[in-house]
Amino acid sequence: AQKVTQAQTEISVVEKEDVTLDCVYETRDTTYYLFWYKQPPSGELVFLIRRNSFDEQNEISGRYSWNFQKSTSSFNFTITASQVVDSAVYFCALSEAKYGGSQGNLIFGKGTKLSVKP
Amino acid sequence: DTGVSQNPRHKITKRGQNVTFRCDPISEHNRLYWYRQTLGQGPEFLTYFQNEAQLEKSRLLSDRFSAERPKGSFSTLEIQRTEQGDSAMYLCASSFGGIYGYTFGSGTRLTVV
Repeated sequence: AQKVTQAQTEISVVEKEDVTLDCVYETRDTTYYLFWYKQPPSGELVFLIRRNSFDEQNEISGRYSWNFQKSTSSFNFTITASQVVDSAVYFCALSEAKYGGSQGNLIFGKGTKLSVKP
Repeated sequence: DTGVSQNPRHKITKRGQNVTFRCDPISEHNRLYWYRQTLGQGPEFLTYFQNEAQLEKSRLLSDRFSAERPKGSFSTLEIQRTEQGDSAMYLCASSFGGIYGYTFGSGTRLTVV
């Protein structure tokens, strides 16, 4: 069975601190997709990144970076120099490959609530 | 491209009533998903359409729930005989061919009193 674990329920940091959100996943599939979404208080899920299981390269996008390690089944997310606007719930999600290898439905973790204080 | 649109944003209903939600996906997206999110939890998959065909239904989708996507465009999710346990945020997402990420709507928050 597929599962996503986000062990950190809530994290509180002071602005400009770096913060890492952990994500551990379980799947028996060799082809799968990993995602991170941000859910601000407004409620809409905002797509941050999609990574397939064959691409273990780390990615950096501005202050955001992601570390994908298949050996430990982890896909961690780091925010550098955090800002108050980063305050939100962050979800890690997993999708198995279906329908000819494309992504299927998402299985979400329970989310990590990040509070960045000024 | 105006994103995924969901209506209504909020719905309050009395227990036992029927409710219907609507989702308008991004026009060129052929895949459409419904999810349910309760407080403090991640979204949970309910059902999936590819064009007008409903290809998957979760065990969470009891027989009181029905979803349609006529003509492969907008979709509706109906809940009959609502129960207090149905209170949640109902999210719709769409994607193009399952190749890229999913785009989510703002959701419909249902409160059953």
